[in-house]
Amino acid sequence: AQSVTQPDIHITVSEGASLELRCNYSYGATPYLFWYVQSPGQGLQLLLKYFSGDTLVQGIKGFEAEFKRSQSSFNLRKPSVHWSDAAEYFCAVGAGGSYIPTFGRGTSLIVHP
Amino acid sequence: DAGVTQSPTHLIKTRGQQVTLRCSPKSGHDTVSWYQQALGQGPQFIFQYYEEEERQRGNFPDRFSGHQFPNYSSELNVNALLLGDSALYLCASSSRRGQVGFFGPGTRLTVL
Repeated sequence: AQSVTQPDIHITVSEGASLELRCNYSYGATPYLFWYVQSPGQGLQLLLKYFSGDTLVQGIKGFEAEFKRSQSSFNLRKPSVHWSDAAEYFCAVGAGGSYIPTFGRGTSLIVHP
Repeated sequence: DAGVTQSPTHLIKTRGQQVTLRCSPKSGHDTVSWYQQALGQGPQFIFQYYEEEERQRGNFPDRFSGHQFPNYSSELNVNALLLGDSALYLCASSSRRGQVGFFGPGTRLTVL
């Protein structure tokens, strides 16, 4: 079965600094990969997804992620963080062409002014 | 477009009771999936409904059941509530089964 590891429970950055959130997945074949964001009291919003093709994926709100098969990773990046980016971020994997994601535990992003 | 709506927003029940949560999908969507998100965890897939039938199911006991109506809205029922059922329950809708789901804000269930 597929699984996702998000090794960082909390990440703290200063506003304007760059951001990288780590995600490692376990799955035998090429997976579908997702990043979601959840703000307090809100549902999950899809930031970006990878199905195939170009391994650098652009998403909404200035986020991007890179699929690295050799490292089984799909890290999320943003060049300059805004205070409104403070939220919970979830990496997820869909196996076997499934659009039903298996989620990681999430990384809480704290942004200092 | 109201997006995915869920009701109620919050709910408090006691152990052994039964609860029904409701979800209306985004306009144009016909597939509804339900997830349970315990505190400090990522969401876990419960099941998916399409054409009024359960099509896929996650690793949840039979106490968790659902229904989809002809207008594509859906209900999640949980019987014999346990303290461990306390969680945020999320509904996601999509257009046909082969699409990424669009999530609603969730229902916070507290079991005392």
